[in-house]
Amino acid sequence: QQQVKQSPQSLIVQKGGIPIINCAYENTAFDYFPWYQQFPGKGPALLIAIRPDVSEKKEGRFTISFNKSAKQFSLHIMDSQPGDSATYFCAASSGVGNEKLTFGTGTRLTIIP
Amino acid sequence: DGGITQSPKYLFRKEGQNVTLSCEQNLNHDAMYWYRQDPGQGLRLIYYSQIVNDFQKGDIAEGYSVSREKKESFPLTVTSAQKNPTAFYLCATLAGGRDEQFFGPGTRLTVL
Repeated sequence: QQQVKQSPQSLIVQKGGIPIINCAYENTAFDYFPWYQQFPGKGPALLIAIRPDVSEKKEGRFTISFNKSAKQFSLHIMDSQPGDSATYFCAASSGVGNEKLTFGTGTRLTIIP
Repeated sequence: DGGITQSPKYLFRKEGQNVTLSCEQNLNHDAMYWYRQDPGQGLRLIYYSQIVNDFQKGDIAEGYSVSREKKESFPLTVTSAQKNPTAFYLCATLAGGRDEQFFGPGTRLTVL
């Protein structure tokens, strides 16, 4: 089974800090790497995504760093806020339309005031 | 959640009973998916359908069945053969040629 390994399982960061969540993958055919944010009792929502042709992508306070040779990618949240407290999932897929996403196991992030 | 309805939000069933979870979308998306979410295990793909009247097994299809008779609907039946059915079930859709999967609000199934 194709895997995406995510760490840490949980993370507590003070407001204004920069939480970093890491993911590693095995399948070199993966070419789409999204991050999803999920609040308790809700469905996940796409936060930001990257393709292997770039090493970094920023959208607002969220940044993905991508290292193709190491087969790793990470999410950084700048100036973190208590409202960012949620569970974050990385994922990966390949092929036209990226039909099948393989998800990491999730990171529960808590931002304390 | 926009445009994807999952009902009910909470569902309780006795062990040994089949139960059907509803997923309806008005986004006109071609593909639909069912995921199961358990604590500490992320989301695992149960079944997916790229077009009407066609569907494929995901990674954990045993004990589940689906149908895709209409583009808007992709119901999931949790059968009595599913050994551990208590979980949070998520439906998702994907527009043709696009990347982003949109998720519904989920149904929490508890088997007593």
